[in-house]
Amino acid sequence: QQQVKQSPQSLIVQKGGISIINCAYENTAFDYFPWYQQFPGKGPALLIAIRPDVSEKKEGRFTISFNKSAKQFSLHIMDSQPGDSATYFCAASRRGETSGSRLTFGEGTQLTVNP
Amino acid sequence: DAGITQSPRHKVTETGTPVTLRCHQTENHRYMYWYRQDPGHGLRLIHYSYGVKDTDKGEVSDGYSVSRSKTEDFLLTLESATSSQTSVYFCAISEEECRGLTYEQYFGPGTRLTVT
Repeated sequence: QQQVKQSPQSLIVQKGGISIINCAYENTAFDYFPWYQQFPGKGPALLIAIRPDVSEKKEGRFTISFNKSAKQFSLHIMDSQPGDSATYFCAASRRGETSGSRLTFGEGTQLTVNP
Repeated sequence: DAGITQSPRHKVTETGTPVTLRCHQTENHRYMYWYRQDPGHGLRLIHYSYGVKDTDKGEVSDGYSVSRSKTEDFLLTLESATSSQTSVYFCAISEEECRGLTYEQYFGPGTRLTVT
């Protein structure tokens, strides 16, 4: 059962444009929604995260928009740069009493920013 | 990579052989996780640990076992490797939660395993 669905699979954007990646989740018990950035040959790196008590979080050029009623959240990359070219993963987790934060990941989006 | 090392970084093995991957952390974090990454599937949780000798299954645990005898080390064992276990394996850590409710997981550099 795929509990977090991510789209698109791949995205090509021109330098300076806006990149938008969307995710939808099913489990209403999820209470933490991070985005990870991964470069080839590297491990995923935490980019930005949001909890469901806010509808938007911004850090520099990266913004998460969260719609609790629609069970959707998205990543917006403003003024996209070639250095942003990477694979992006959304994820979700529910805090358990002993289990820590077990993440459920989306399938990933390959972002290419053309110069 | 947040004080996380994985060994080996690359391994090629034959079907039916046992394989052990090691994750070592220097952060003294309580929680440790093993994920596998495959095209079209993102990352999927194999096993996790919430303390020394405390482990539990994740989403794709069949064919894998884990052990954690020390805070800093989390081992993933494939008892009898199969071609379907060809993947990139990532270890992750997170610290014990407190009033700040931190959930961040930090990932290691990964191990690329090929089973022929």
